[in-house]
Amino acid sequence: EIVMTQSPATLSVSPGERATLSCRASQSVSSNLAWYQQKPGQAPRLLIYGASTRATGIPARFSGSGSGTEFTLTISSLQSEDFAVYFCQQYNNWPPYTFGQGTKLEIK
Amino acid sequence: EVQLVESGGGLVQPGGSLRLSCAASGFTFRTYAINWVRQAPGKGLEWVSIISDSGSITYYADSVKGRFTVSRDNSKNTLYLQMNSLRAEDTAVYYCAKKGGEYSSSSRWFDPWGQGTLVTVSS
Repeated sequence: EIVMTQSPATLSVSPGERATLSCRASQSVSSNLAWYQQKPGQAPRLLIYGASTRATGIPARFSGSGSGTEFTLTISSLQSEDFAVYFCQQYNNWPPYTFGQGTKLEIK
Repeated sequence: EVQLVESGGGLVQPGGSLRLSCAASGFTFRTYAINWVRQAPGKGLEWVSIISDSGSITYYADSVKGRFTVSRDNSKNTLYLQMNSLRAEDTAVYYCAKKGGEYSSSSRWFDPWGQGTLVTVSS
């Protein structure tokens, strides 16, 4: 089973600033990585797939990068609606599909 | 609009059973694999199961293997999760989530997700 590790667990950033979230896989997942955003009381929403492709309707301020074992989600200029929990997920080696434990992005 | 709507959650005693449903609309249901994913209160996401587009292939997480059974009725655009021998650690919101691409596509991300249904296992 591939273990996904996200860091940091909590990130405090001011609106308008840049946020950088990290995700590491215990072995290579190629570019088969997705990022999801989850707000309180809501289901997760797909942001990024293929490590760097934005899903339909996702603003350009969200970008993903990386391949192999190291991945990054960058939000270039934080808006109030971006404060949420973010999960990474690998879909290269399955079953099982595995998720990171999440990064909570909070307002500084 | 692609939509998934779960139902069937509730309070059940340890050792009991429950069947969840996931009603799909807005896409050709019979051409997509569908996943179940759960989230314990205040915790992260745990993949539970996947069923292929035809229903002939299923996979499970080790934590539920032998206790949960996934099935689908393509004539009704509905997915099911039969949960038996429930334990306190099965308490979670259960989401169904569509595979990104059709048939055997390598597009295996999850999009979209339903709103979830809460299962509470407690005496």
